Parts: sequence; C-alpha cells; structure tokens
Amino acid sequence: EDKVVQSPLSLVVHEGDTVTLNCSYEVTNFRSLLWYKQEKKAPTFLFMLTSSGIEKKSGRLSSILDKKELFSILNITATQTGDSAIYLCAPRGNFNKFYFGSGTKLNVKP
Amino acid sequence: DGGITQSPKYLFRKEGQNVTLSCEQNLNHDAMYWYRQDPGQGLRLIYYSQIVNDFQKGDIAEGYSVSREKKESFPLTVTSAQKNPTAFYLCASMPSLNTGELFFGEGSRLTVL
Repeated sequence: EDKVVQSPLSLVVHEGDTVTLNCSYEVTNFRSLLWYKQEKKAPTFLFMLTSSGIEKKSGRLSSILDKKELFSILNITATQTGDSAIYLCAPRGNFNKFYFGSGTKLNVKP
Repeated sequence: DGGITQSPKYLFRKEGQNVTLSCEQNLNHDAMYWYRQDPGQGLRLIYYSQIVNDFQKGDIAEGYSVSREKKESFPLTVTSAQKNPTAFYLCASMPSLNTGELFFGEGSRLTVL
C-alpha cells in the first residue's frame, strides 16, 4: 500500500532557527517528489525532486531526495515568521497519482 | 491571467442536498485532480482525470462524482451519499502526463449543516 509519512507533525521555533522537515514514502513506480507550502488556502510549489543526492535550493530553503532510503528532507535556515505554514510532501507514483503526507505545521515565533 | 479558478469559495448546504463545485483552468493542462483536506490533515485524492472523457477514482471517491467533457473543466459533485462532506476541496492541474508539478486553485470550503 502506498503511503507517505511526514515528521514532525508540528514544530515551534524562534526566528533565526534552522529546521529540518522529513518525508518518508513507499510509492509504487516512484517518479518524483514534490514539496509544497500551504499558508491559508492553495498550496504553493517549492521543489520537485527526481534524482537522489542532488540538492535543490531556493533562498533559505533547500531539499534533497534519497531514492534508496525512500525519504526526502526540506531544510529552512534562518527562519522568519513568514515561514509559518504547513509543509506538504507529495511523491508521484503510478498513473500520475500524487500521494500527500499529513504535513508538518511550522510555527515560527518572533 | 492563466490559472485555475474554483467556485464558489464558500458554500453552505443542508444535509441531503447534492452540491457541485466548479473547477476551470485556462493553462491548457492535460491532467486535473480533486483533493479533499480536513483540519490538521493532508490532501486526500478524490478523483483525477488524465484526458478528456476519462477519469479515475482516487482513494476516497465514494459519495462523489465528476465529469471531464472539456479539457478546461472538471466539476465535482458531492452527493448525499457522502457521509461527512464538510471539508476544504482543492482542484489541481498538471501540464502533461509525463512531467511537471501540480498547480492548485484557491479551494472551495463546503459546510453541510
């Protein structure tokens, strides 16, 4: 059975801290893994990962995929209050189906 | 502007009534999806469509129905058979069947009284 587990479920940090969010998956015919940030309504796209070991970076955010161990991490350095959101990972498997984890709720305090 | 439009944004209905949520995209994307999100949970797949006139059940299709008569439109009907329909519904699309990420609409929040 395909499944996605994100950890931690929630996290409270202070501005300036560095956080690491985890996503482990078991998906048939894995093709890629997406990370999204959801603040209030529509999730916004952060990264798409297809190859192991290649870090993707965008400003203070970075992400990497390990296809052998079936996990991905999302790092946020020097966190800001605007980083407060739910972070969702979604591996893509058979028939172009995306499987979403329950998300990690990040709360960054001033 | 290109994008995905969901309507209505908020909807209240009485128990036992069918409800149709609209999703329209002008991105010329092939694939379209419907997800449901409950408080504190991730997104669960209801239905998806990879091409016009074809769609597949997701993980929680019971009590829902869809159609894909046009490439740009993928409406979702929440029927009275859905036991717990109050939720946030998100529509998404993907450029092609071989690559790309999901683009999301702003969502529709359905409350059944």
